[in-house]
Amino acid sequence: EVQVVESGGGLVQPGGSLRLSCTTSGFALSNYRMSWVRQAPGKGLEWVANIKEDGSEMNFVESVKGRFTISRDNAKSSLYLYMNILRDEDTAVYFCARDRVAYSSGYAKAPYFDNWGQGTLVTVSS
Amino acid sequence: DIQMTQSPSNVSAFGGDRVTITCRASQSISRWLAWYQQKPGQAPKLLIYQASRLESGVPSRFSGSGSGTAFTLTITGLQPDDLATYSCQQYHSHPGTFGQGTKVEI
Repeated sequence: EVQVVESGGGLVQPGGSLRLSCTTSGFALSNYRMSWVRQAPGKGLEWVANIKEDGSEMNFVESVKGRFTISRDNAKSSLYLYMNILRDEDTAVYFCARDRVAYSSGYAKAPYFDNWGQGTLVTVSS
Repeated sequence: DIQMTQSPSNVSAFGGDRVTITCRASQSISRWLAWYQQKPGQAPKLLIYQASRLESGVPSRFSGSGSGTAFTLTITGLQPDDLATYSCQQYHSHPGTFGQGTKVEI
């Protein structure tokens, strides 16, 4: 059974930093791209970042570029999100999700997500 | 970025009813659309991808249709277990974007 479990959320002051972790089981992490998706209170889901299977390529939503970093340790079946210079608008539940990628004419589409964790809450407030 | 708009925001129905949720894209996304179910306090669950393909293990009362800019998710024979928020997501172009969600109450 595929399992995805996030941890590391909490209360942090504006301008602060936080590291989120995602532990996976039930599948070979090295075979999959992975993403972080967030949901602010009362809002819809928002894709934040993803990372290629071997960690060689990372992509970010514009609003977090230069502030967030994503990494992975396939040997530990784990994914990480490093969040710096946090803002009030980063307050959200952060989900770790397994990517599924479709191809059209040889080009990869944006990912959609076939397995998710339950999320970890990040609150940015003074 | 492509904007995704769902309607209605909330829907209340009786058990056994047919419920239809609409998702509209701000530009054509062909059939590159997924639907998710999110129960309170639980992980989102993939229901449908490529507009109409049912994910393995998802009950057949869920169905999806549409192409271009207009899509629908239909629940035929609403069950108590279907109490949840349903969201669409386009994956035609980066970044993938989601609708704001439709809450289904029974």
